[in-house]
Amino acid sequence: QKEVEQDPGPLSVPEGAIVSLNCTYSNSAFQYFMWYRQYSRKGPELLMYTYSSGNKEDGRFTAQVDKSSKYISLFIRDSQPSDSATYLCAMINTNAGKSTFGDGTTLTVKP
Amino acid sequence: DVKVTQSSRYLVKRTGEKVFLECVQDMDHENMFWYRQDPGLGLRLIYFSYDVKMKEKGDIPEGYSVSREKKERFSLILESASTNQTSMYLCASSHRGTDTEAFFGQGTRLTVV
Repeated sequence: QKEVEQDPGPLSVPEGAIVSLNCTYSNSAFQYFMWYRQYSRKGPELLMYTYSSGNKEDGRFTAQVDKSSKYISLFIRDSQPSDSATYLCAMINTNAGKSTFGDGTTLTVKP
Repeated sequence: DVKVTQSSRYLVKRTGEKVFLECVQDMDHENMFWYRQDPGLGLRLIYFSYDVKMKEKGDIPEGYSVSREKKERFSLILESASTNQTSMYLCASSHRGTDTEAFFGQGTRLTVV
């Protein structure tokens, strides 16, 4: 079983919809949680970065972490066609000193 | 603007060839990483390095080696390329510490025929 499981998608929504992207994990040593966005034929770029349980908001994006349930989410409000990309969750095990990535969810926002 | 540069966007190599993938970062980062990305398998760590001349195996090091002679440069070497090494290869770098953001290069799409 993978340490990080991500909803596989693909996901297709109309412009303006609220999008929910989710990951679960099994390793309690994960302490830092990130969401990366990857456009086609590009490298991933960091979107959101959180440490503690709770919500963190940045514009239309909200990252949510529930350590007790080992569950993280990324919400996108008022989704735009420019949000069409693959979204990767990532978690850092501070003991191992490296990140573990989910497989990614491909999102398409249709105008 | 921070930058991680991979030497090639696309490469086609023959089975058995020795292949070098180069990565350079201009952010004075201590940590550098090589991943491969495959559909359905996500990003998998091949090797990483915390300092010059230091290297650590990741999750899938078999068939690969690395070299870090200078802080800014991290090379991935396929000693004898095989078709199952056809993949997207991504280099990343970050500052020392386990809680820091990784910056990725644009990726190299390698096809081994």
